[in-house]
Amino acid sequence: GQQVMQIPQYQHVQEGEDFTTYCNSSTTLSNIQWYKQRPGGHPVFLIQLVKSGEVKKQKRLTFQFGEAKKNSSLHITATQTTDVGTYFCAGNRDNYGQNFVFGPGTRLSVLP
Amino acid sequence: DADVTQTPRNRITKTGKRIMLECSQTKGHDRMYWYRQDPGLGLQLIYYSFDVKDINKGEISDGYSVSRQAQAKFSLSLESAIPNQTALYFCATSDRGAPTDTQYFGPGTRLTVL
Repeated sequence: GQQVMQIPQYQHVQEGEDFTTYCNSSTTLSNIQWYKQRPGGHPVFLIQLVKSGEVKKQKRLTFQFGEAKKNSSLHITATQTTDVGTYFCAGNRDNYGQNFVFGPGTRLSVLP
Repeated sequence: DADVTQTPRNRITKTGKRIMLECSQTKGHDRMYWYRQDPGLGLQLIYYSFDVKDINKGEISDGYSVSRQAQAKFSLSLESAIPNQTALYFCATSDRGAPTDTQYFGPGTRLTVL
């Protein structure tokens, strides 16, 4: 079946350092979404990427979708303590929702 | 998201007991989902429903059943709970009209099976 993997599993950074998490799918995706889960909270939608090679930015966050639509990355510039949480990618193999698979997540800790 | 509510928020039960987790939404979405979250495993799909008459198994449906009582309500049952069903359970919704199934999650139910 479809698998979505993320690396690293954990990342500890000093406040102000950059952070990147990578998401890889075993199959080509129609789109990919990113979610953030704060400690003790629930996943919250951040962004969706649809086009091959697409790059989107949200303030200090930069999201990329690979040319082959099988991988994606989330980069945070100059991390802040408010960035703490687990970041999940979720891949959709088609547009009908039956093949929507979450990666295991990357847990980010930011030391002040 | 306050538009998706789950009850109870926490539950401790014993092996062999029947448990029902409930989810309600006021977003008007047709699609509803139940996920299970275990540390290091992300979110695993248990069941999903695209409308009241449509129920589908997800990745890990064994030991679980669901009921879609109305567009706004989707409940998850554990007929005979076992300790390895101890986990955090999330309900989510998405809009059929949206092509990409953005998921809106409830606050979660923490279930402990002793």
